[in-house]
Amino acid sequence: NAGVMQNPRHLVRRRGQEARLRCSPMKGHSHVYWYRQLPEEGLKFMVYLQKENIIDESGMPKERFSAEFPKEGPSILRIQQVVRGDSAAYFCASSPRDRGMVAGSYNEQFFGPGTRLTVL
Amino acid sequence: GNSVTQMEGPVTLSEEAFLTINCTYTATGYPSLFWYVQYPGEGLQLLLKATKADDKGSNKGFEATYRKETTSFHLEKGSVQVSDSAVYFCALSDLYNFNKFYFGSGTKLNVKP
Repeated sequence: NAGVMQNPRHLVRRRGQEARLRCSPMKGHSHVYWYRQLPEEGLKFMVYLQKENIIDESGMPKERFSAEFPKEGPSILRIQQVVRGDSAAYFCASSPRDRGMVAGSYNEQFFGPGTRLTVL
Repeated sequence: GNSVTQMEGPVTLSEEAFLTINCTYTATGYPSLFWYVQYPGEGLQLLLKATKADDKGSNKGFEATYRKETTSFHLEKGSVQVSDSAVYFCALSDLYNFNKFYFGSGTKLNVKP
């Protein structure tokens, strides 16, 4: 069973261009999370999606960033008009299903290798 | 709200030394706690986890105990190896907040031969 796949692994863009990052979750996983890791920092939550739905986008910048997880195909994180401050590693994680709010339960998240975005 | 604080690095140890990386958290609800490891240029790998108070997670000689009374989840290893050199992240998953993860800032460990 292949793990979470992300592509491209490295992406270079000039200021003002668009960046599209793709994430294919593990087989059978219907929950996708995107995180951003700035240099020398921990990962910060951006958005949580299920198939065709954005569940929580509280960590997404208000402008230029969008995410989708269509019925077919990978999840896409799109950054329009990139700026140097967008340079970071973007990680995707997938989870199998919602086990409900039961104490002691959790949904393990499996992380992809990340896409390292460099904005020139 | 939810947050994780872990000791700043880098931590430099000699091979076979004892390792402790401190991690404390604040959380609402019933968090699960995790340690992830990141090798250079790679993604995060789950090292160990604990889902409720007093649980001990362990893997590859690493251990951490979920201490609710001190809101801590310190990572320990009795004898580190050069191959343990990496960045270690403490994290919590909030069951009541879509299970999203909250990460500490990471602690870089350098182990010298």
